[in-house]
Amino acid sequence: DTGVSQDPRHKITKRGQNVTFRCDPISEHNRLYWYRQTLGQGPEFLTYFQNEAQLEKSRLLSDRFSAERPKGSFSTLEIQRTEQGDSAMYLCASSLTSSNYGYTFGSGTRLTVV
Amino acid sequence: SQQGEEDPQALSIQEGENATMNCSYKTSINNLQWYRQNSGRGLVHLILIRSNEREKHSGRLRVTLDTSKKSSSLLITASRAADTASYFCATDSSGGSYIPTFGRGTSLIVHP
Repeated sequence: DTGVSQDPRHKITKRGQNVTFRCDPISEHNRLYWYRQTLGQGPEFLTYFQNEAQLEKSRLLSDRFSAERPKGSFSTLEIQRTEQGDSAMYLCASSLTSSNYGYTFGSGTRLTVV
Repeated sequence: SQQGEEDPQALSIQEGENATMNCSYKTSINNLQWYRQNSGRGLVHLILIRSNEREKHSGRLRVTLDTSKKSSSLLITASRAADTASYFCATDSSGGSYIPTFGRGTSLIVHP
């Protein structure tokens, strides 16, 4: 297991298109988190899962954003009808149930909306 | 809103000097974590300190935690050019939400 994998690394899309990002967490980690990060800012929490259950989604930025983790393994984050303001780095992290072991982040997906 | 806030926002030092960054937070926590982020990359976990600990060391890193002041500091000793990165603190509130919340970070530049 080589850590948290995110795909793609970079995505350029036209405004109005839908995009989907994938995250593969560390296999024994049952918690999975999505964050957004814009230039010069810290990661901003979007949503998280424990196994397949989405425990917090109220901080998704709008109803254009949705996330799934259908079998409690990989997760996808979809943005519908993208806007230029959606341009950012989207980060995924995973952890064990206990937070006392830290969180492992992937390298992120950089989205550019043109 | 962001729970942790790092200070200073930017720090520029010479190789070999020590770098100290501070983090303040607002609510009770289970633990506090420090992460490093190189430009355009993901975050790398550096060190975690639990709420009942006051100091922790890992190699050239020293972290302190003062829960009465709701603050933490990260000291990097004998800095190297490779330490150039942004450093973030993340807090995990004791309210049971298990959502690590990050500040805006400290941008550290170490000049060779």
